[in-house]
Amino acid sequence: SQQGEEDPQALSIQEGENATMNCSYKTSINNLQWYRQNSGRGLVHLILIRSNEREKHSGRLRVTLDTSKKSSSLLITASRAADTASYFCATAGFNQAGTALIFGKGTTLSVSS
Amino acid sequence: DGGITQSPKYLFRKEGQNVTLSCEQNLNHDAMYWYRQDPGQGLRLIYYSQIVNDFQKGDIAEGYSVSREKKESFPLTVTSAQKNPTAFYLCASSRDSASSYNSPLHFGNGTRLTVT
Repeated sequence: SQQGEEDPQALSIQEGENATMNCSYKTSINNLQWYRQNSGRGLVHLILIRSNEREKHSGRLRVTLDTSKKSSSLLITASRAADTASYFCATAGFNQAGTALIFGKGTTLSVSS
Repeated sequence: DGGITQSPKYLFRKEGQNVTLSCEQNLNHDAMYWYRQDPGQGLRLIYYSQIVNDFQKGDIAEGYSVSREKKESFPLTVTSAQKNPTAFYLCASSRDSASSYNSPLHFGNGTRLTVT
């Protein structure tokens, strides 16, 4: 019952470059959330964008949402080595629990100095 | 500092043994969740609880059991019936119990379970 799917699966960039990750989903949503996971750690919530919003910023993060294309993108500007992590999008989907957050498989970002 | 504590960080068990993973939160959140993460995979929902003494099965509940006797605690038992228990287990909580997808989830740092 995977709802969101990130693209690319892996991304390698140099420090200072921008990183863009995309998420596509299947059904209509109330909101879409982005999370970050450092290796061997739990996920950390980054941004929640509601279905009536088109763009949202938080520091060096910019998230866009296009509900007509059922897609979202996460842009990290001026990347740093500390941004190295996996990034997941999550949307509401229907599963045995009813409606719950369903996560994609993530994009693994590697930023080299 | 408020947060979610999962213990232990690493757990090793022999096949056929039940094992219980601990999850405690001091965020005063109503809802709590257990997810399983396999290498290169997203998170799959095992169980969730919106309120004390109530919980619902997620996508992969078979071979797992939970209890929610206190608001702060949501332990997960991996039973011998779970065919592939080796995985990274993540506990999360959210303030909003009405709809789990409307509030950000706060995660613990996980327990890596290895069963041999």
